[in-house]
Amino acid sequence: GAVVSQHPSRVICKSGTSVKIECRSLDFQATTMFWYRQFPKQSLMLMATSNEGSKATYEQGVEKDKFLINHASLTLSTLTVTSAHPEDSSFYICSARDPSGGPLTGELFFGEGSRLTVL
Amino acid sequence: AQTVTQSQPEMSVQEAETVTLSCTYDTSESDYYLFWYKQPPSRQMILVIRQEAYKQQNATENRFSVNFQKAAKSFSLKISDSQLGDAAMYFCAYGSSNTGKLIFGQGTTLQVKP
Repeated sequence: GAVVSQHPSRVICKSGTSVKIECRSLDFQATTMFWYRQFPKQSLMLMATSNEGSKATYEQGVEKDKFLINHASLTLSTLTVTSAHPEDSSFYICSARDPSGGPLTGELFFGEGSRLTVL
Repeated sequence: AQTVTQSQPEMSVQEAETVTLSCTYDTSESDYYLFWYKQPPSRQMILVIRQEAYKQQNATENRFSVNFQKAAKSFSLKISDSQLGDAAMYFCAYGSSNTGKLIFGQGTTLQVKP
């Protein structure tokens, strides 16, 4: 089946630095990817929709300048947490849709997630 | 805006028994999809079952089945013959055919007792 890979799986950084998380679709071209944030034992909150070749669409309340999303190719989307602070510590999960099942209804595949800890 | 509600933060079932997880949702869209995902301790999201809203027949995948009540906007998951490996957090999710977004409920932690 289709695979989505995230890297790094764990990252620890100092407050004030920026961290980049990569999301790759390994065996299909993903025109749309989604980024989620999950706090411990809580739900996945949609942060933004990443569209290849265009600007990301952010959900209400998500700071665009804090969470920079780039979808430069059909297989790669990146999330950069800029000037990270301890409150940004969380589990970030990306997902990509396999368009072979339909542009809006093709199955959504999830990455393994990236745990960010900001000291 | 669409919302998904799971009112059971935690559930427990005896191994080999049956358990039902509840989910309700709210939407004004007519075309959508509903999903149940499993998230084990590894945090990897695993699709359990999927239901197209236009289909009246309830989806079934081996030991997993749903009770889809469109008018009531209810979408419960039944797990039969529960196994220890079923222990995980289960998320109900709404998929919009308009935007392609997936909106998740709060999750239900399922414990399976041997």
